[in-house]
Parts: sequence; structure tokens; C-alpha cells
Amino acid sequence: ETGVTQTPRHLVMGMTNKKSLKCEQHLGHNAMYWYKQSAKKPLELMFVYSLEERVENNSVPSRFSPECPNSSHLFLHLHTLQPEDSALYLCASSQEAAGANVLTFGAGSRLTVL
Amino acid sequence: QKEVEQDPGPLSVPEGAIVSLNCTYSNSAFQYFMWYRQYSRKGPELLMYTYSSGNKEDGRFTAQVDKSSKYISLFIRDSQPSDSATYLCAVSRQLTFGSGTQLTVLP
Repeated sequence: ETGVTQTPRHLVMGMTNKKSLKCEQHLGHNAMYWYKQSAKKPLELMFVYSLEERVENNSVPSRFSPECPNSSHLFLHLHTLQPEDSALYLCASSQEAAGANVLTFGAGSRLTVL
Repeated sequence: QKEVEQDPGPLSVPEGAIVSLNCTYSNSAFQYFMWYRQYSRKGPELLMYTYSSGNKEDGRFTAQVDKSSKYISLFIRDSQPSDSATYLCAVSRQLTFGSGTQLTVLP
């Protein structure tokens, strides 16, 4: 496996369900990110982990809960979601250093909340 | 005011045309400017980036930054059907993204 891998690729859940999205990076990067992508809207940065510590949380509702057990894995735990949470959730990683912060994205997990 | 504004399109051009994609941004402190390309059912991938003002060329692609007007552009020469994708501009190290412009190049 190379790059950034996300599972599942598609997920349908009811508002009372609990599910998790998984992300794994094979690039040796030291930072990982969750973004939300909705139609016709800019990518929304949700969470940033640098060296396994959460360094940013952009006012995301508590029904989204991130977990970063090590520098290669990132999870997004979902519970009691709303239909407006339906979107493509993108994981990305980067090697934080001086200069440009280039992200490598996974293919995304398409979430539908019924 | 949004930090980054990008015309969402859609933009449709014939094969071989020159394509111009543009973004404006609000914070004059931004130093890094990037263009990502996103094919259908895929995540965005970095196309090219520039630091501060000026032009950068890579094959058929040219990125241009005008910091005085807070305007960034991506030009695609001799566009190909394989260039059909959504193009996202991004600024700063925290990578604030535009909404993306959907481009279709017709054969």
C-alpha cells in the first residue's frame, strides 16, 4: 500500500448509529488532517494532528470525535449525526517543516446520513 | 468576506483551448499558493505551488501570483480531455481552500 488509504469508501448510516472512518498513511509524514468536502463549498478543515497531538479543532460539533493513536493512523468517530453531515470526508497527511505544507490526500469516505 | 474565493464554474472548453482558472484571497500575509487537481471519486492531488509573487511553469501549466491584487491564476495551455477535473486553489501553510472550479475539456 502506498500513499494515504481511507476506509470505508462509502458509508450509509442512520442518525442514531455509531461508526468510524479510518485513515492510514504510508509516507512517513508527521501530520494528519481531516477535511469535510460538501458540494460547491470549500474544503473545511476539521482537525489537525501534528506528532500525534491535536493542534487544531475548527469548531467541529462534538458528534465528530477524532483519534490519532500513532503517526500513521487517524480515525474519525461518528455518532448521532445529522443529514447535513452527509459529505465526502478526506484524510490527508504532510511532513511539517519550514516552507510549503504539501498535503497528500486519500480518496475520501463518502458518508450519507439518513 | 471569505478567505479564498473561487468561481465554481462549471467551465467547458474545446480541446486545445487555453484555460484560465482564478482565485482571490483576503489575507495579505499569505505566502504559499497552491493548486490541487481532483478527479471524480478521487482525493485532491497537488499540481503545483508558488511562493510569494511571480510565475511558475510546469509543462502545459503555469501558476501566477499577484500579491498586490491578491489574485492567483492557473493557466492550462493546449488543454486535453484528461485535464477534465475540479481545480482547487489553496493558500497559506494551513491550506485554506477555494470551493473548486469544475473543468470539462471536450474532445
